[in-house]
Amino acid sequence: NAGVTQTPKFQVLKTGQSMTLQCAQDMNHNSMYWYRQDPGMGLRLIYYSASEGTTDKGEVPNGYNVSRLNKREFSLRLESAAPSQTSVYFCASVGQLSSYEQYFGPGTRLTVT
Amino acid sequence: KNEVEQSPQNLTAQEGEFITINCSYSVGISALHWLQQHPGGGIVSLFMLSSGKKKHGRLIATINIQEKHSSLHITASHPRDSAVYICAVKGSYQLIWGAGTKLIIKP
Repeated sequence: NAGVTQTPKFQVLKTGQSMTLQCAQDMNHNSMYWYRQDPGMGLRLIYYSASEGTTDKGEVPNGYNVSRLNKREFSLRLESAAPSQTSVYFCASVGQLSSYEQYFGPGTRLTVT
Repeated sequence: KNEVEQSPQNLTAQEGEFITINCSYSVGISALHWLQQHPGGGIVSLFMLSSGKKKHGRLIATINIQEKHSSLHITASHPRDSAVYICAVKGSYQLIWGAGTKLIIKP
């Protein structure tokens, strides 16, 4: 099993450009999450999907959209990138909701100039 | 005030030392997680606790629900333990994350 995979690993965008971060998991998990991590701060939840076909806003959803394409894939889109969106983005999936153990992807380092 | 506070923020120690990282929280929780983020960025889950104590190799995690406090201990620390250790608590639905403790173990 590959676990949770993310693409790309690195990306540089100019202000106003758009891009989609891809995430896929092969563990048959229902719930998937997108986080951003900024220096000196904890992980902050952008959006989550409790199950296929549902998505909900997290703590910092502004400037982002998501799509739960199927059970495996959960993508994050930046429609018009801003320098404030420079961050490391992590996708995660949850195994058992009772334990809430999260499995993380390797992260995408995004720089917006 | 953050709902999850970790201390210290940074910790540098010599190889072999006993390490303690603390996590305090202010919300009602059903579980607390400890995770490790490697220098390369990858995040792995270490423990999930709802009461008492768990041990895995040289790592020990404890939680005191009444005091809303958890500790992560590392015995016989080694340079490969150098990482950021993150505490997260499960509230009503989502995880609430601490900012992390950066640990450096010098040989």
